[in-house]
Amino acid sequence: AQKITQTQPGMFVQEKEAVTLDCTYDTSDQSYGLFWYKQPSSGEMIFLIYQGSYDEQNATEGRYSLNFQKARKSANLVISASQLGDSAMYFCAMRDPHSGAGSYQLTFGKGTKLSVIP
Amino acid sequence: DGGITQSPKYLFRKEGQNVTLSCEQNLNHDAMYWYRQDPGQGLRLIYYSQIVNDFQKGDIAEGYSVSREKKESFPLTVTSAQKNPTAFYLCASSHPRWTESSYEQYFGPGTRLTVT
Repeated sequence: AQKITQTQPGMFVQEKEAVTLDCTYDTSDQSYGLFWYKQPSSGEMIFLIYQGSYDEQNATEGRYSLNFQKARKSANLVISASQLGDSAMYFCAMRDPHSGAGSYQLTFGKGTKLSVIP
Repeated sequence: DGGITQSPKYLFRKEGQNVTLSCEQNLNHDAMYWYRQDPGQGLRLIYYSQIVNDFQKGDIAEGYSVSREKKESFPLTVTSAQKNPTAFYLCASSHPRWTESSYEQYFGPGTRLTVT
């Protein structure tokens, strides 16, 4: 069974500073995918970034980057130049490689609440 | 604009009543999913569907039922058998895995169900 662990229930960061949100995962599979989603107070989940287990480069999307350390089974999200609008819950998730070909199941961590201070 | 709609945003029911949550998408996705979120928790998968007229149980399917009669629609019924139905429910969709054209699941705005 897969497991995602996010050890930081809450984090504070000063506006314009960088912040790292931790995520560790547990799987015995060699092929898997890791996602980060943002959930503002409105409730919807917003996709941020994806990393495949065979990707050699760390994924980047604008101000978001994923620090992927395969041997340590960690996939930390780095947000550069934090903005007030970054205040939200952040969830790390793993794609189940044994899902059917027509879909895939995601296992989510419990999330980290990020608060950006002006 | 393409997306996923869930209605209503807030839903109130009396204990013992069945309630159906709607989910509609115009993204032309084959796969659709229902998740449940409790306070301070991540999302847990209730049901998912890879194609019309097919659906599979997720991790917490007990007390829930779904149907998939149309590609665009995947309604979730919360039955009276669900012991703790009060939660935030999120619907999602994705391209088929074999296309690998897009890895992520797209989410709707959610429905907050309160049962008293």
